[in-house]
This record gives sequence, structure tokens and C-alpha cells, in this order.
Amino acid sequence: ETGVTQSPTHLIKTRGQQVTLRCSSQSGHNTVSWYQQALGQGPQFIFQYYREEENGRGNFPPRFSGLQFPNYSSELNVNALELDDSALYLCASRATSGHYGYTFGSGTRLTVV
Amino acid sequence: AQRVTQPEKLLSVFKGAPVELKCNYSYSGSPELFWYVQYSRQRLQLLLRHISRESIKGFTADLNKGETSFHLKKPFAQEEDSAMYYCALLSTNSGYALNFGKGTSLLVTP
Repeated sequence: ETGVTQSPTHLIKTRGQQVTLRCSSQSGHNTVSWYQQALGQGPQFIFQYYREEENGRGNFPPRFSGLQFPNYSSELNVNALELDDSALYLCASRATSGHYGYTFGSGTRLTVV
Repeated sequence: AQRVTQPEKLLSVFKGAPVELKCNYSYSGSPELFWYVQYSRQRLQLLLRHISRESIKGFTADLNKGETSFHLKKPFAQEEDSAMYYCALLSTNSGYALNFGKGTSLLVTP
């Protein structure tokens, strides 16, 4: 099951720039979460959207923002990039009914130089 | 605080040996817990969820509320079990998103 696709797979940005990462979830998955996974760490929750509205947020500053669209796609935007933002960014989605199991994308590897 | 702890960063066992990957959690109420696995160069995928009490690829995990643990077990490890394993808690603090532990790298050697 592939279900969730992310683009791009790799990205290099300069400190201070802005970046937009994209995710396409499978049909019917109206909840989408974004995670940051630094090297050697578990995924850290950034925020979650349900039916195009943010309904949960982790311990990340406001320069991390997002959007969810009616066609089950979503975006993660990061402004004023810092070196520590270098990480793998994961998108995960689920349907609201069922066992709350999330399906993950392969991630976008962001490198900030 | 709703937190997941995986005390072992790396676990190395021989093929055929039993495996136990530890997971402890802090949560007030009835937790919903999961194990996710990430094989080399593959995406994170769901291995087990405690509410279904199923066995996947020979792995089982039992929720022990007294010890606040959800350890992952397999009686006979196989080389293809080598992967990163993450324990995760469904967090009510964040719209039912997943709160992950730091992961345990399991290496099964022949």
C-alpha cells in the first residue's frame, strides 16, 4: 500500500530561505499529520489538519505552517530556515473511522546549508 | 505529560534467539499504542496496534497497564527482522496524532 506520496524527495535550501513540501494522501483520508525526523531520532509531531483546519500542534515555532486542501493534498511551509531544520519530513494520513492507524509517506529530505 | 520511552538504542541478537524491544509510556487514561517498523530504505509502516491484539510477522505486544509498558516480542528472530522499531502513543493532546519514542535499531546476525 503506497497511499501517501511526498514531493520532492530531496531538497537543499540556504539558511533564511522558505520552503514548501507537498503531500498527497489517499482518498478518504481527511486527517493529515506532519512530522520532523532528525538523524537518529524518532519522528516529532509538527501539526495535524482535519478537514482543512489545524486541530493539533506540537512544539514547533509559528514559522512552521501548513495547509490542507479538499483533494486530500497538503503542504508544510517553513519560513526563515535554520540549519537545525535539516531533517526528514514525513507526512502521514488516516481516515477518521477505524483504528487510528496512520499511513506514512516516504518523506522529504531537507538539507539547510 | 504523554510520553513514550524506548530505553534501548540498539539491540543485537543472533538468528533464532528471542527478541524483546522495550517500550514504556506515560499517559493518564486508556492509552492507544502502536509499533511501527522502518526497514532499510523503506517508509515507516504499521506493525502492530494494541487494540487488535494481532500477531504480525511473528511479533506480538501486550499492553501492561500496571507497568505502563508495551514491549514487542518475537520468540525466534530472523535476519529480515533487522530494522528500526518505533513505539508510538496516540496523543489526545494533539488531535490524536502519534507521539513516537526515539526508536530501537534491531540487528539480527546469522
